[in-house]
Amino acid sequence: GENVEQHPSTLSVQEGDSAVIKCTYSDSASNYFPWYKQELGKRPQLIIDIRSNVGEKKDQRIAVTLNKTAKHFSLHITETQPEDSAVYFCAASVLIQGAQKLVFGQGTRLTINP
Amino acid sequence: DGGITQSPKYLFRKEGQNVTLSCEQNLNHDAMYWYRQDPGQGLRLIYYSQIVNDFQKGDIAEGYSVSREKKESFPLTVTSAQKNPTAFYLCASSMVPTGNQPQHFGDGTRLSIL
Repeated sequence: GENVEQHPSTLSVQEGDSAVIKCTYSDSASNYFPWYKQELGKRPQLIIDIRSNVGEKKDQRIAVTLNKTAKHFSLHITETQPEDSAVYFCAASVLIQGAQKLVFGQGTRLTINP
Repeated sequence: DGGITQSPKYLFRKEGQNVTLSCEQNLNHDAMYWYRQDPGQGLRLIYYSQIVNDFQKGDIAEGYSVSREKKESFPLTVTSAQKNPTAFYLCASSMVPTGNQPQHFGDGTRLSIL
């Protein structure tokens, strides 16, 4: 089955600097890769996603890159702000008999230092 | 997302007791999911359902049961067979994909043992 590894587990950056979180997946059939942001005690919220027919996607300060050959994808946050502090989860999706199954990474706790 | 409602927000279980967590959605989504989140960890899939009256086990289904009698509702029962039920439980929904679609989460239920 699919396995997703996420690194680093914690990340601390200065406000205004960039942050990069990396994930690797094991199942080459995975074709959809969402990223979620979760604040303490709250629901995970989708911040960006990418499908396997695309190598990069950008939304304002957030971008995701996908390398299908190497089976890894990364989240890039530029010009970080204090409100970016949260836990970020990557996930990989595979369709099994028409049902989408998401497998999540362990999460990265991002802290933005003012 | 305002379209997925989980209740209660906090729940306490006595030893030997079954408890049921509610999940209702008004997004007209066909697929619904239950995840378990332990402190400092990612989300693990318990059960999922693509259509009414049909559901499949996820990766950690032992000690849990579900039903899908209505499209809008997907309750989760934590049975007495689940020996370590303390966790944050998240319900999610998505459109049944022809391609992969985002999953959207409720606010979660925090379950503890008395």
